[in-house]
Amino acid sequence: SQTIHQWPATLVQPVGSPLSLECTVEGTSNPNLYWYRQAAGRGLQLLFYSVGIGQISSEVPQNLSASRPQDRQFILSSKKLLLSDSGFYLCAWSGRRPSGANVLTFGAGSRLTVL
Amino acid sequence: KNEVEQSPQNLTAQEGEFITINCSYSVGISALHWLQQHPGGGIVSLFMLSSGKKKHGRLIATINIQEKHSSLHITASHPRDSAVYICAVAAGGTSYGKLTFGQGTILTVHP
Repeated sequence: SQTIHQWPATLVQPVGSPLSLECTVEGTSNPNLYWYRQAAGRGLQLLFYSVGIGQISSEVPQNLSASRPQDRQFILSSKKLLLSDSGFYLCAWSGRRPSGANVLTFGAGSRLTVL
Repeated sequence: KNEVEQSPQNLTAQEGEFITINCSYSVGISALHWLQQHPGGGIVSLFMLSSGKKKHGRLIATINIQEKHSSLHITASHPRDSAVYICAVAAGGTSYGKLTFGQGTILTVHP
């Protein structure tokens, strides 16, 4: 069965420190991968998506970057965090189950607080 | 104006009531999602629709492509249905995870 793992679940970081959030998917190959953010009191927003290794599309200008070094690994990074980077970050994958049904599955999320 | 508008923003119901949440969108879409977000933040995909109607247990989702409108219905609501329900659309011709989100509907069901 397909599963998605996202970590860390919670982190508190000082302004100016680096960030790395990681997401891995199991049980599928060549998934489309996504990073979303939910800032406090605001709706969800797509940050990045990837259709393959090394292929990253950015949806909004920001202080963050994404990378896909392996087929089922998606990493969200920052060199220097800003207060405005605080929020709830969700990774997701889309693809087809063996049954042929389309699927969109979210990770459990990472709550980032920048102080 | 947001591309995806949900109504109502807040909804309070008594256990057993029939609930409807509405979603209107302004772009051509390849898919519409109904998502459920619980207080801890985790999100579950309830339905993905491109036409017609889908049913899963007490949940029913419908979509009218011509009118650019979708509804999520909950029959015989229960306190465990309390959550934020989010409508999201993938624009036509794009990956169906490349989503634009509505602002969400906060549902509270009282026993």
